[in-house]
Amino acid sequence: NAGVTQTPKFQVLKTGQSMTLQCAQDMNHNSMYWYRQDPGMGLRLIYYSASEGTTDKGEVPNGYNVSRLNKREFSLRLESAAPSQTSVYFCASSEPGRLHNSPLHFGNGTRLTVT
Amino acid sequence: QKEVEQNSGPLSVPEGAIASLNCTYSDRGSQSFFWYRQYSGKSPELIMFIYSNGDKEDGRFTAQLNKASQYVSLLIRDSQPSDSATYLCAVLPQGTYKYIFGTGTRLKVLA
Repeated sequence: NAGVTQTPKFQVLKTGQSMTLQCAQDMNHNSMYWYRQDPGMGLRLIYYSASEGTTDKGEVPNGYNVSRLNKREFSLRLESAAPSQTSVYFCASSEPGRLHNSPLHFGNGTRLTVT
Repeated sequence: QKEVEQNSGPLSVPEGAIASLNCTYSDRGSQSFFWYRQYSGKSPELIMFIYSNGDKEDGRFTAQLNKASQYVSLLIRDSQPSDSATYLCAVLPQGTYKYIFGTGTRLKVLA
């Protein structure tokens, strides 16, 4: 039982290059998320998908796009990378409940550097 | 703006002592509260969640929630050097899917 799997673990891009971060979960969760984490800024929500077929912007969506490919997979795309996008990216999933959503379960993260 | 506030620390406690970590939140309608531990270079891992006012205990950890005062705290009893990490508070406002995180409190347990 892998939980939430992210690829790649590390990536270095030049300014202007594009790339897609992949995320898959095997917990049958309906909701999936992309966060970025920068020193002193905490975890900030980029995009989320409450359920298969839906995506919504979070706190810092500019410069990113997402695709909810199916229930298991949620990818994050940088179309034209900028140095400001240097960060650690975490994918997470949770299961909505009638009264309370479950906690977020995180992947191991992708450390991205844009030069 | 829905916010979650934590003291960044570092909070230093001697081994065996009780560490007390606090978190305040601005959205009075928040219903779900979570504490995560994050070691340097690693992903956040869930320690506890709490939904109702009062205390919830799990081993050496106790989460306390006071919705009237809009704060949630985490107590770590018999602190160990292995507890040294950053502790993240997260809040899920009612009616949303957006988990909001504080910036975390760095805890140092001194041997």
